[in-house]
Amino acid sequence: DIQMTQSPSTLSASVGDRVTITCRASESIRSWLAWYQQKPGKAPKLLIYKASTLESGVPSRFSGSGSGTDFTLTISSLQPDDFATYHCQQYGSNPYTFGQGTKLEIK
Amino acid sequence: QVTLKESGPALVKPTQTLTLTCTFSGFSLTTDGMRMTWIRQPPGKALEWLARIDWDDDKFYSPSLKTRLTISKDTSKNQVVLRMTNMDPADTATYYCARRKPSARLADYYFDYWGQGILVTVSS
Repeated sequence: DIQMTQSPSTLSASVGDRVTITCRASESIRSWLAWYQQKPGKAPKLLIYKASTLESGVPSRFSGSGSGTDFTLTISSLQPDDFATYHCQQYGSNPYTFGQGTKLEIK
Repeated sequence: QVTLKESGPALVKPTQTLTLTCTFSGFSLTTDGMRMTWIRQPPGKALEWLARIDWDDDKFYSPSLKTRLTISKDTSKNQVVLRMTNMDPADTATYYCARRKPSARLADYYFDYWGQGILVTVSS
């Protein structure tokens, strides 16, 4: 199985900050990576797929980059609605694995 | 409008079999390329992919749970069913069904619609 490791596990930031979350795959997944946002008690919401393609309706302050084994999710200017947990998911090979999540907290 | 909703028991005893149903609307699982998935999330932990069923009835399972899982579909009812045998307290989790986002590339496999999730607790 491909292991997905996110860092940091928790990130404290303020409204207006630029933040970056990292996801590393244990082997190359080319660009077959998606990012999700999850709020407490809710299902995940698709933000980005193919490493950098923004899902329709997702604000442009979200962006993704990377290929191979190293990927990043960047939020250019944090808004109050962005405080949530973020998950990466690889779909380069079955089984399709997720990272452990990064909780973005208000500083 | 696409909707998905999971249903099933909130509490099961160890060794019992769990049966969960995902009822969906706004699309058809007979459409080429459509795939439905079950994913779970233990409290405070990571998401875990469990199983997938495709429009052509192909089925795939998590290798670590393969012997315990069965996924099936009833296209006339717009439902996907997951059965998990020999439940254990470690299986306590919120179980989600999700739809693969349609894509021209069949190998693409990420999820654009999710159900609200159902918390299943395994306890005697």
